[in-house]
Formats: sequence, structure tokens, C-alpha cells
Amino acid sequence: NAGVMQNPRHLVRRRGQEARLRCSPMKGHSHVYWYRQLPEEGLKFMVYLQKENIIDESGMPKERFSAEFPKEGPSILRIQQVVRGDSAAYFCASSPQRATNTEAFFGQGTRLTVV
Amino acid sequence: AQKITQTQPGMFVQEKEAVTLDCTYDTSDQSYGLFWYKQPSSGEMIFLIYQGSYDEQNATEGRYSLNFQKARKSANLVISASQLGDSAMYFCAMRERLIQGAQKLVFGQGTRLTINP
Repeated sequence: NAGVMQNPRHLVRRRGQEARLRCSPMKGHSHVYWYRQLPEEGLKFMVYLQKENIIDESGMPKERFSAEFPKEGPSILRIQQVVRGDSAAYFCASSPQRATNTEAFFGQGTRLTVV
Repeated sequence: AQKITQTQPGMFVQEKEAVTLDCTYDTSDQSYGLFWYKQPSSGEMIFLIYQGSYDEQNATEGRYSLNFQKARKSANLVISASQLGDSAMYFCAMRERLIQGAQKLVFGQGTRLTINP
């Protein structure tokens, strides 16, 4: 039973390029969450998605960032025209439709470096 | 809004000693959950322990226990018999109110624990 899978683990982009981060939830999980961790800080919530729906995007920057969770395939966090300040670790977590609230598992994260 | 406070930026402990990592929280909700995660230098987030607000007993998982004091709004992590491999960042987190099944977590700033041989 594979856990939450994120890829790539490390991503280097030049300023102005696009970054695409992928997250495959645990088997049977239909809810996906994205978090960002800036250096030396805790994780900050970005967006919560169910299949084909964005439920809560209160933590997403207003520009350049978007997320999707299509009916088939992984969830994608997309950052357009990256800037140095986007350098961070991006974590994905998943939960089942009826979350029991006792656990919240994260993927291994994608470390984005903008040069 | 929910808030988590971890007041210890760093802690140094001798191997085999017990260590307590502090966490206080602020919420107006009656139903909430508290989590502790370990983040080693490799970067992944490892779930350690969970405490529900209605749980009467303190949670325990092996060498980890959670000292839950609801009236004081504290949820300290206790690690018994510390080991060198316990050196890592530790994050306390609280689950916000469920909306459509959400498990949205609010994290503290973390405590960097170093175990000395």
C-alpha cells in the first residue's frame, strides 16, 4: 500500500520558467492538500482539493499559482513565471472521503529551487 | 483563527535522557485534533502522534507520549530515552474545523532537537 507519492523530489527552475509538481494520493484517498514550507519555517496550508473540485484555496497566492486534481491522474500544483521567493519545499497530503482525523500523512515533498 | 506556538527554537539533550517539547495552541472550537511530526535532515514529514480534543487519556506511541492539558491549551511531546536518531525538527500542528471532510492543518514554527552522545 504505497503512501503519498510526490515527484519530482527536487526541481530546479530558472526565474520566469514554469514549475509543475505532482502528487498521487494514497490508494482510496480522494482529498488532496498542498502545503508550502519556506526555509526554517513550519508548513503553511495552500489549497485543498477533491476530485475535479477546489474546495479551499485560501492559502494560495493570488497570482501565478494554480492547482488541479483531475478525475484521472495525479494532483498538479503549477507555478508560472517562478521567482526566487518561490524556492521552498512543497508537501502534499491526502485523506479519505470520511477522514477519521487520527492521521494525516504527507508525501516526501518536492524541493523547488529557483536560480 | 487557530494558532500554534512552539517557544523553543532549539533544544540540546544528552542521549538516553527524556525530553519535553512544548506546544500551546489557541482555538475557539470544541472539537479539534493535535498532531506532532518529525522532520529529519532528509526533509520528509514523519507523523508521530495524534490527540483528539475529546480523548480523556494522553496519547502514547512507543517512546512518544503527548502531555495534553486542555485547560491550559498545551500539548507537549515527551520523548523518553532519547536516541541519536531523534535529532530533527519537530512540529506541532492542529487540525482546523472540518469542512467537507477537510483535514487542514495549522503548524507551529518548530523546535530543532539535537541529541548529544
